[in-house]
Amino acid sequence: EVQLVESGGGLVQPGGSLRLSCAASGFTFSSYEMNWVRQAPGKGLEWVSYISSSGSTIYYADSVKGRFTISRDNAKNSLYLQMNSLRAKDTAVYYCARKNWGLAYYYFDYWGQGTLVTVSS
Amino acid sequence: IQLTQSPSSLSASVGDRVTITCRASQGISSYLAWYQQKPGKAPKLLIYAASTLQSGVPSRFSGSGSGTDFTLTISSLQPEDFATYYCQQLNSYPITFGPGTKVDIK
Repeated sequence: EVQLVESGGGLVQPGGSLRLSCAASGFTFSSYEMNWVRQAPGKGLEWVSYISSSGSTIYYADSVKGRFTISRDNAKNSLYLQMNSLRAKDTAVYYCARKNWGLAYYYFDYWGQGTLVTVSS
Repeated sequence: IQLTQSPSSLSASVGDRVTITCRASQGISSYLAWYQQKPGKAPKLLIYAASTLQSGVPSRFSGSGSGTDFTLTISSLQPEDFATYYCQQLNSYPITFGPGTKVDIK
C-alpha cells in the first residue's frame, strides 16, 4: 500500500525556519517525481515545489523561490522541504504528493495527510 | 497558466446531474486533472488526461475537453460527493490549480 506521511510542521515565528519531511512507503520511491502542495486555511490548493526522481531537476513557485529548498534522499525513501524566512502568508497545510503518469499524461495520484505550518508571533 | 472554474459554488440535490467547468488561460492539450477534497482531508484524484477515470473512482464521474475548456460531470450526485472540486494543469511548471468549486446540499 502506497503511503506518504508528512511531519515537521508546527508553530514558528516570522523569519524563522522549519524543515518538513515526507516518508514514503509501498512503492519504489526513487522512480517517482515528487511535489509539495500547500493549502492556506479556508483557501485553495497551491503548488509549491517539484523534484525529479534523481533530484537533478527542481522547480519552485515564485512565492517561495529563494526561501524554500526541496530535496530528497532516495536511500531513506524521504522527501524534504526546508523553509526559511517564513512569513505569515506561508501558514498552510503542506502536502507531499507523488507525480505519476499514464497515457503520457501526468497527475498526482497519492497525497500525504498533510502537516500544518503556522507562522505567527 | 491560469485556471478559472465555474461556478465557484453550487447547491444540488442527491440524484442531480452536476457540471463544473475549468478554463485555462492558454492551451494545455489534455494535461488536466480533477480532484475531490473533503474538509480536513487530502485531495483525491478523480480524473487525469482530461477524461481518464482514475482506478476505483465511480463511473458517475466523467471528464471532457482539451485545449482550454474542460468539464467535470457527476451524472447522479450521491451524498458522498458533497465536497470541493479542483482542476489542475500539468502541461508545464509552475503547475496550477483552479480556485475550486464547492458542491453542497440543496
